[in-house]
Amino acid sequence: DAGITQSPRHKVTETGTPVTLRCHQTENHRYMYWYRQDPGHGLRLIHYSYGVKDTDKGEVSDGYSVSRSKTEDFLLTLESATSSQTSVYFCAISGGQGVETQYFGPGTRLLVL
Amino acid sequence: KQEVTQIPAALSVPEGENLVLNCSFTDSAIYNLQWFRQDPGKGLTSLLLIQSSQREQTSGRLNASLDKSSGRSTLYIAASQPGDSATYLCAVDYYGGATNKLIFGTGTLLAVQP
Repeated sequence: DAGITQSPRHKVTETGTPVTLRCHQTENHRYMYWYRQDPGHGLRLIHYSYGVKDTDKGEVSDGYSVSRSKTEDFLLTLESATSSQTSVYFCAISGGQGVETQYFGPGTRLLVL
Repeated sequence: KQEVTQIPAALSVPEGENLVLNCSFTDSAIYNLQWFRQDPGKGLTSLLLIQSSQREQTSGRLNASLDKSSGRSTLYIAASQPGDSATYLCAVDYYGGATNKLIFGTGTLLAVQP
């Protein structure tokens, strides 16, 4: 299995509070991605990174920010959590060497009350 | 807007049966299509990747086909086993290059009954 960890694995928070999720990889892969998975919507891309300090928006980026200060870490921040951000969040990585698959972390289950 | 659709949403079959999962996409200008497996409470695991120039890929009991002109892909599972029970998702890369941005279908939940 690709070396990808996510923390925390589960979190309950209240509306209006900031939340930061962490993705850590040991594969030295260039690309990192944050997705959310919701019933009826599949996985949707929030943000992705193509290098240290290089990030771009995905399909559902509103209300989220990201940062990547080191190759191995990609942080997702919910600036002011809302109930609509209750979801399962997945981090993924890929090497950026052309046509290749993505490797996924185990996910973080977030509940916003 | 590119969309990826998977039908049926759920499927139950007896052990040993051969089965086909379907994936359709709205825009035929894709770079590649991938099939993933997701077990309950877990992340996704890549099964097969088909490049736009290919018609099919095989891995063990799995065979994935791609027909760009009709906007369809199928995942064929031979001699199904209870361990094949999982959600199967297809994803399409419409962007190309190293970015590898994927659009996912909503998945088919497969249950293989012993």
